[in-house]
Amino acid sequence: DQQVKQNSPSLSVQEGRISILNCDYTNSMFDYFLWYKKYPAEGPTFLISISSIKDKNEDGRFTVFLNKSAKHLSLHIVPSQPGDSAVYFCAASAGSGNTPLVFGKGTRLSVIA
Amino acid sequence: KAGVTQTPRYLIKTRGQQVTLSCSPISGHRSVSWYQQTPGQGLQFLFEYFSETQRNKGNFPGRFSGRQFSNSRSEMNVSTLELGDSALYLCASRNPGHSTDTQYFGPGTRLTVL
Repeated sequence: DQQVKQNSPSLSVQEGRISILNCDYTNSMFDYFLWYKKYPAEGPTFLISISSIKDKNEDGRFTVFLNKSAKHLSLHIVPSQPGDSAVYFCAASAGSGNTPLVFGKGTRLSVIA
Repeated sequence: KAGVTQTPRYLIKTRGQQVTLSCSPISGHRSVSWYQQTPGQGLQFLFEYFSETQRNKGNFPGRFSGRQFSNSRSEMNVSTLELGDSALYLCASRNPGHSTDTQYFGPGTRLTVL
């Protein structure tokens, strides 16, 4: 049973517009959420995280929103740039990061110039 | 600070052989986790080591094992390789209890089993 789901395998966005990547989870024990970006043949790169005590966290062009009641989080990238083209993974853990990360299967973002 | 390093980066083995992968965490990070990434299954957790002790284990057969040394470096071993073990093996390190407790990944070892 997939505890973390990224239902869109791919997303195409024009340069300069907003990219919104979505993630749903089923385990109510999850209290720490992260987004990673991955290029081919490289390891995932940490982007941004959010604790369940918050509903929003912002870092430059990246903002993560958490809706605990809906068990949903989203990553907003504004403005999108061609270098943002990569696979984005949503991950979750319980115990404030002290349990293994559970990953979604990723969304491939293509930013078109 | 240097990032997480993994060796080797690429490896080709045949069925039935065994393989050992190595991971050096970020300096000061005491926890090392291993993940397997395949196209169909995404990233799946193998195990985590902290202070030379296995702290968590994923749902993988006993052919997959690991260890951690006193300097926090970790090795992962897969015995009796099967074709389905072909994957990207990723190592991640973190510093449990630190205010920014986030896992940072290495570049991975691409294992191909023929």
